[in-house]
This record gives sequence, C-alpha cells and structure tokens, in this order.
Amino acid sequence: GAGVSQSPRYKVAKRGQDVALRCDPISGHVSLFWYQQALGQGPEFLTYFQNEAQLDKSGLPSDRFFAERPEGSVSTLKIQRTQQEDSAVYLCASSSTSGRETQYFGPGTRLLVL
Amino acid sequence: AQSVSQHNHHVILSEAASLELGCNYSYGGTVNLFWYVQYPGQHLQLLLKYFSGDPLVKGIKGFEAEFIKSKFSFNLRKPSVQWSDTAEYFCAVSLLGRGNKLVFGAGTILRVKS
Repeated sequence: GAGVSQSPRYKVAKRGQDVALRCDPISGHVSLFWYQQALGQGPEFLTYFQNEAQLDKSGLPSDRFFAERPEGSVSTLKIQRTQQEDSAVYLCASSSTSGRETQYFGPGTRLLVL
Repeated sequence: AQSVSQHNHHVILSEAASLELGCNYSYGGTVNLFWYVQYPGQHLQLLLKYFSGDPLVKGIKGFEAEFIKSKFSFNLRKPSVQWSDTAEYFCAVSLLGRGNKLVFGAGTILRVKS
C-alpha cells in the first residue's frame, strides 16, 4: 500500500459519546502501534499489536479505551464515554516485522471532545 | 520512569545557520534511537535512526546525529539549514528487548527565516 491511512481525519464528539478511529497499516506490516499526541507534546504510546495479538496495552489511559485488530490488518481504536481530556491527535504506525524496524506513521485523527 | 528530553522547544534560525538539537534519554539498557520530523501539514517521517555500529549516523536532507553513550545523548545536527527545514523535530527511543514502542521527547519546533 501507499502508506498508513487513518479515518476519520477529524472527529468532533460531545462529551459522553463513543468514538471509533480506524487505521489501515501498510500492506503486509506485522506490527501496528497506536499513539496519543496531546497539544504541544510528543506522541505517547497507547498499545501494540503483532498481527492480531495485542501484546502491549500498557499505555491505554483507562478502561474506556479499547483497541482491536481482529484479522491482523486493519485496527480500530475505540473510546467510550469520551471526556474532554481525550482531545488529542491519535496516531497509528506500522512496521514490517516485530524486530528493529522503522515505524511508519499515518496522518492521525484529530479528536475534539466538547 | 523512562523519559526522553529535548532541550529546546522553539528554535529560530536564519538560512545557512548551523543547527544542533539536543536529545537526552534516561535508559540504562541497549537503545534504538530515532529522529522523526513533521513538516507543516504532513505526518511524522523518519529522518534518521541508530541501532548499532558507527555512532555518527547520516540521514536524509543533510541531517546527521551522533550517539554518545556516556552522555545518554543523540543530538541532531545540520551544517546549513534551509527555509524548507522549518518543521517540528522529535527524538524517540525504543528499548531493545522491551517491545518496539517508541518513547518520544516533547519535540522542538524549528523555524528558519529566509
């Protein structure tokens, strides 16, 4: 594929709404990562998949955050009962193996919770 | 806690000036080191990376970085900046054998005046 794609690019939600953010990694990439980038900060790790297995979810800030990658390609990050502090850019990255490979980032989804 | 520090949040330079952006990390183990760049309106792109070997790493667009293990540093340099280097620069670290998640610094916004 051409690169990592994410949708939607922008999302406005009312506080308490559920949102779902989609990531399409580069075709064939085994590893997929989600990061959260607050305004003026660097990206912070949320969770990591190797194929369909979620190997690390230590960065998920609360049980309102849930991620899945059921077939080992497309991934969805779901945020339930959104709060204002969830407003951020959510970045997806993929890499070709589980080793020391470069992570390629998507354009991100900018979430604003009102 | 593991962390990455970038010394300057904003840097303003004139074209042809030399650039050095500082990055320090606080891990004791073997690390992989990265510099990513985000041009205005674009997504994060890899500038250069260090895994092992020669501590002086050359990247795209004339950038280079030097890994100094004793100082836990990985500073980014460019001898002569151009207006097109205006962007935000992020230093990132991953720990060998501890998964592949990246830990990012807060970023440095570079503005080059023409």
